[in-house]
Amino acid sequence: DSGVTQTPKHLITATGQRVTLRCSPRSGDLSVYWYQQSLDQGLQFLIQYYNGEERAKGNILERFSAQQFPDLHSELNLSSLELGDSALYFCASSVAGQGFGELFFGEGSRLTVL
Amino acid sequence: DQQVKQNSPSLSVQEGRISILNCDYTNSMFDYFLWYKKYPAEGPTFLISISSIKDKNEDGRFTVFLNKSAKHLSLHIVPSQPGDSAVYFCAAKKAAGNKLTFGGGTRVLVKP
Repeated sequence: DSGVTQTPKHLITATGQRVTLRCSPRSGDLSVYWYQQSLDQGLQFLIQYYNGEERAKGNILERFSAQQFPDLHSELNLSSLELGDSALYFCASSVAGQGFGELFFGEGSRLTVL
Repeated sequence: DQQVKQNSPSLSVQEGRISILNCDYTNSMFDYFLWYKKYPAEGPTFLISISSIKDKNEDGRFTVFLNKSAKHLSLHIVPSQPGDSAVYFCAAKKAAGNKLTFGGGTRVLVKP
């Protein structure tokens, strides 16, 4: 158990819809990262927040947005969903925003868009 | 532009033998390299790491080698055990920040 909690674990929805994925980082971790893993591919970095502020941005689509709340949990919002958005979405956390630190990953949220 | 590549999507090895996983990178700004292991239905978990100032790091059955001039690293698992069957991801990061760039993963199957 990494200490990172993601909900929901599974989500099935239709094209054009909007979903929200939630992540609670490990206790004390200030940084939250979102990654997308499409079918048997590597993890693609989407976005990072540190203590409520956006710290780094990857290949995140404009239809996607995220935020980190004062209690440090984070939400990833995916809108106008397309079939190609079907993927595993992982959240990870770390203590600091920079430096040499391993990331602790949640179990992921599997999104299926029909 | 794939900055971290794992060219072998899968590897099959006999229990007790050595597993060698390879990873190549293109960005010379990468300063730290990590290996993560992932079982089905679980998130990736950290396995071992190496700083660019070193060429080898060992932790039990796991050893990571870094050849900075060739922009290549490898993970050796000796001896391989059935419980090592998983997907292994190579990842790299720059000195500043914790953002990891991942390779595509190598699926390892250790046969009893």
